Amino acid sequence: GAGVSQSPSNKVTEKGKDVELRCDPISGHTALYWYRQSLGQGLEFLIYFQGNSAPDKSGLPSDRFSAERTGGSVSTLTIQRTQQEDSAVYLCASSSVPGLAGTQYFGPGTRLTVL
Amino acid sequence: KQEVTQIPAALSVPEGENLVLNCSFTDSAIYNLQWFRQDPGKGLTSLLLIQSSQREQTSGRLNASLDKSSGRSTLYIAASQPGDSATYLCAVMESIYNTDKLIFGTGTRLQVFP
Repeated sequence: GAGVSQSPSNKVTEKGKDVELRCDPISGHTALYWYRQSLGQGLEFLIYFQGNSAPDKSGLPSDRFSAERTGGSVSTLTIQRTQQEDSAVYLCASSSVPGLAGTQYFGPGTRLTVL
Repeated sequence: KQEVTQIPAALSVPEGENLVLNCSFTDSAIYNLQWFRQDPGKGLTSLLLIQSSQREQTSGRLNASLDKSSGRSTLYIAASQPGDSATYLCAVMESIYNTDKLIFGTGTRLQVFP
């Protein structure tokens, strides 16, 4: 079946603008994760959604970052007032097994460049 | 704070060689460890997942071992091929905080030349 999809694949924006990144998880997967991969920091966790539970937002780097997941499926990561240090590849993953045992399946990522 | 390190950072070998990629983690209280492959522009592909109660997992030419007490995992690639060229990442899932987040290593960039 279809894997995790993300859009756009590339996004170039000017400093100070807001951006929205979209993730479509694998159908039926209840867990969804956002990660960020940047040159200086490697791959780091941002936020985790599991079903109807409150999301784990512990990885969000600042209050300019927010995410929502509508209807338990599609998720949107929003970055307000973008800064150059926000430039990175943003990866989304989903898992069918909640809890601590499931393989996470990753999307191709969105490359964000803030000028 | 959990830290995951991978050695070597980069590796270039001729086709046919057997390879060992190393991953170490500082806190042994993990729930599982995963090895991923990352190709440019294609996100991450899960290769092997080892639960903390397991010692190894095998898939085709890949074999991953886990020594939780010493905080180490190795990924063994047999008879390497040019198609194995990619960045390999290990990631641990911690059991302390009851969350599913993965802590990733720094990666090993592998190039296999014909």
